[in-house]
Amino acid sequence: NAGVMQNPRHLVRRRGQEARLRCSPMKGHSHVYWYRQLPEEGLKFMVYLQKENIIDESGMPKERFSAEFPKEGPSILRIQQVVRGDSAAYFCASSPSGYKVDGYTFGSGTRLTVV
Amino acid sequence: GESVGLHLPTLSVQEGDNSIINCAYSNSASDYFIWYKQESGKGPQFIIDIRSNMDKRQGQRVTVLLNKTVKHLSLQIAATQPGDSAVYFCAEAPSGGSYIPTFGRGTSLIVHP
Repeated sequence: NAGVMQNPRHLVRRRGQEARLRCSPMKGHSHVYWYRQLPEEGLKFMVYLQKENIIDESGMPKERFSAEFPKEGPSILRIQQVVRGDSAAYFCASSPSGYKVDGYTFGSGTRLTVV
Repeated sequence: GESVGLHLPTLSVQEGDNSIINCAYSNSASDYFIWYKQESGKGPQFIIDIRSNMDKRQGQRVTVLLNKTVKHLSLQIAATQPGDSAVYFCAEAPSGGSYIPTFGRGTSLIVHP
């Protein structure tokens, strides 16, 4: 059981470029959550997805950010036209059920640096 | 708005001592309270949780205490070890609906050998 896999671990982008972060949930998990963590801060919820559906995107910025979780393949968090303020660690979590803490597991994150 | 926050940003202890990490919350609708440990370069790792109908729960070397009267949560680590050095977050989740924990800012625990 490889756990929640995120890649890349580190990503450097110039201002104005696009960043694509990938998350493969644990085997048997169909619920995926994305969080952002700024330095010295806690994790802030961004979006919750199930296969092919966005369930809750209340924490997602209205512009430049999008997320998907296709029927096949990993979940993707996409940030268009990145700015310096997007520099952060982005964590993905997955769970077998959307309603319990049991099995809610985080990946090791992608650290995005915008230069 | 309502939030989860921690009292101390950094806690330094000697190996073998007991550690107590505190957390205040303000959302009275919260049903679940969870402690996570985050080591450098890694994602948060579940430690222990407690439901709002309990005031104490014990795990291996860890105890979580919940005081609903003053909306206070604490994590006690017995016989702290260097491997316990990490940032600890409390999180809360409301009853019903999807489980999406809201995290506090975190406390950095430093264990000196």
